[in-house]
Amino acid sequence: DTGVSQDPRHKITKRGQNVTFRCDPISEHNRLYWYRQTLGQGPEFLTYFQNEAQLEKSRLLSDRFSAERPKGSFSTLEIQRTEQGDSAMYLCASSLEGGGGYGYTFGSGTRLTVV
Amino acid sequence: SQQGEEDPQALSIQEGENATMNCSYKTSINNLQWYRQNSGRGLVHLILIRSNEREKHSGRLRVTLDTSKKSSSLLITASRAADTASYFCAILRGDGAQKLVFGQGTRLTINP
Repeated sequence: DTGVSQDPRHKITKRGQNVTFRCDPISEHNRLYWYRQTLGQGPEFLTYFQNEAQLEKSRLLSDRFSAERPKGSFSTLEIQRTEQGDSAMYLCASSLEGGGGYGYTFGSGTRLTVV
Repeated sequence: SQQGEEDPQALSIQEGENATMNCSYKTSINNLQWYRQNSGRGLVHLILIRSNEREKHSGRLRVTLDTSKKSSSLLITASRAADTASYFCAILRGDGAQKLVFGQGTRLTINP
């Protein structure tokens, strides 16, 4: 595969509904990250996985948010009981693990609009 | 919270001119990275500079890092209309943190 894929690209949902987003990382990458970005701002970290283990979650990630990465491959991000403040671009990225750091490869994002 | 702060927030120049964007941060770092984002798209990794490096080049990009001032700059030479995008710096903290922390970005517009 040639990049990180995110699905869907756009999602419009009514307040109170649940939504789920999917991310397919680069297959060789063992790290997967979720970020949220609002208009005019930089991406804010939500959570990351190393293989199937979720190693860190931001305090931004309320109990309405849950992320999984079964079998260390694709990942899903679910938002329950959506609120208007959840409207944002949700970005997924993957990278190789390494002490010296590697650049991230980002997907095109899922734009969520809560009405 | 955002650790990096880019300056300026917006920059508009003529095609062919050089564009310089600055990034300041507050903590020790392992490395600092620059990304580009076209409107409504994901981010694209441009360049990574490690804490023990002072300057790196990649094509028309030149990045400098001054760890004593906790600042970095991104220079794009001979700008093109296609360089119009938002540019973000991101730091990997030196305390063992395992995720990038992004700044607010600089919106660069290249006028033809």
